[in-house]
Amino acid sequence: RKEVEQDPGPFNVPEGATVAFNCTYSNSASQSFFWYRQDCRKEPKLLMSVYSSGNEDGRFTAQLNRASQYISLLIRDSKLSDSATYLCVVIPGTASKLTFGTGTRLQVTL
Amino acid sequence: EPEVTQTPSHQVTQMGQEVILRCVPISNHLYFYWYRQILGQKVEFLVSFYNNEISEKSEIFDDQFSVERPDGSNFTLKIRSTKLEDSAMYFCASKTQGDSPLHFGNGTRLTVT
Repeated sequence: RKEVEQDPGPFNVPEGATVAFNCTYSNSASQSFFWYRQDCRKEPKLLMSVYSSGNEDGRFTAQLNRASQYISLLIRDSKLSDSATYLCVVIPGTASKLTFGTGTRLQVTL
Repeated sequence: EPEVTQTPSHQVTQMGQEVILRCVPISNHLYFYWYRQILGQKVEFLVSFYNNEISEKSEIFDDQFSVERPDGSNFTLKIRSTKLEDSAMYFCASKTQGDSPLHFGNGTRLTVT
């Protein structure tokens, strides 16, 4: 099983739609989780950290399910500018490195 | 907002040549990283550096690679003898503490011909 697994997509959604991405991780000792966003040929940028109780930042909601070892990202009221690749990122176990999923591509259309 | 800076933005080199990629992490950060991303593929961990030494490295980070923090601000990645398959975007990143998120530089695109 891969350390961090994501559906690569692409997800094509109309503006205003709600879209959800899931990500699974293999190391049950993982402690920290993040969602990053990456635009084409640019660096990954932190979108939000993911907390055990779930957290929200405007139109974005992140959830963590430790029992099933997955995290999710929900985007409400999608904008054209949300088009990007969304990267699930995990700190596995006691390592300090961050491990990236392959990313899920989102294309928001008119 | 402070940011990680990388130079050059694009480096073209011939196979077998040495390259040095440079990074200036955010000043109060303690952990430093290099990642790479081959076009169309995932972001891959290369090496992490803490307290003036390598703390972790991946299988990709073989004897051809080395890192240095020669002074209080720069963090460099050296590839001794480049191969065609080293062509990728190389990202430097830093963070304040163990479970913090990483802040990435805007990358150096390395093209090996």
